[in-house]
Amino acid sequence: AQSVTQLGSHVSVSEGALVLLRCNYSSSVPPYLFWYVQYPNQGLQLLLKYTSAATLVKGINGFEAEFKKSETSFHLTKPSAHMSDAAEYFCAVSGAGTYKYIFGTGTRLKVLA
Amino acid sequence: DAGVIQSPRHEVTEMGQEVTLRCKLISGHNSLFWYRQTMMRGLELLIYFNNNVPIDDSGMPEDRFSAKMPNASFSTLKIQPSEPRDSAVYFCASSLGTATYEQYFGPGTRLTVT
Repeated sequence: AQSVTQLGSHVSVSEGALVLLRCNYSSSVPPYLFWYVQYPNQGLQLLLKYTSAATLVKGINGFEAEFKKSETSFHLTKPSAHMSDAAEYFCAVSGAGTYKYIFGTGTRLKVLA
Repeated sequence: DAGVIQSPRHEVTEMGQEVTLRCKLISGHNSLFWYRQTMMRGLELLIYFNNNVPIDDSGMPEDRFSAKMPNASFSTLKIQPSEPRDSAVYFCASSLGTATYEQYFGPGTRLTVT
């Protein structure tokens, strides 16, 4: 069985500040982990993914995430927030031999000027 | 490639009417997922197809919902009869395979049932 927990349904940061969005997972098989972003009135698009290669994964728009098996975490970070980062972010888990993504409930990021 | 295409983008209908949502996959993709997104329940997987065959429809809410893939590039999701609680944004997503592969989402269809 797999599950994802995103801590904080809403996160606000100042422009230029560090962005940290938290994701913890549980998985009975080696996990594959994803972060997606959803802008208003659009579908989800992939930011980055972890599929058992390097534990530090770099994605688009300056985002990165680190897979920490001991902490069962896959937190998303960006050193300096930009106004255009305001969106909803979803963490998802799948696993070897599965087809389903299990999505978290999402974190809405607000960037303050 | 144009990406995943969904139509219509918005649909407003009255309770009891039939609603058909359409999805065109990215060329070469063999997996198709239908999702529903609401504020209350978040993103829910409704049904998954692989190579045109429905593999898992356990997320389909009830018999009023049905989905088909008449060919490798096209899918429909039908609700008959529709109810106000079906109001949501419906997404389809396609991928090259499963598990490790990225899912490409369409722009969604916003359904309002009055």
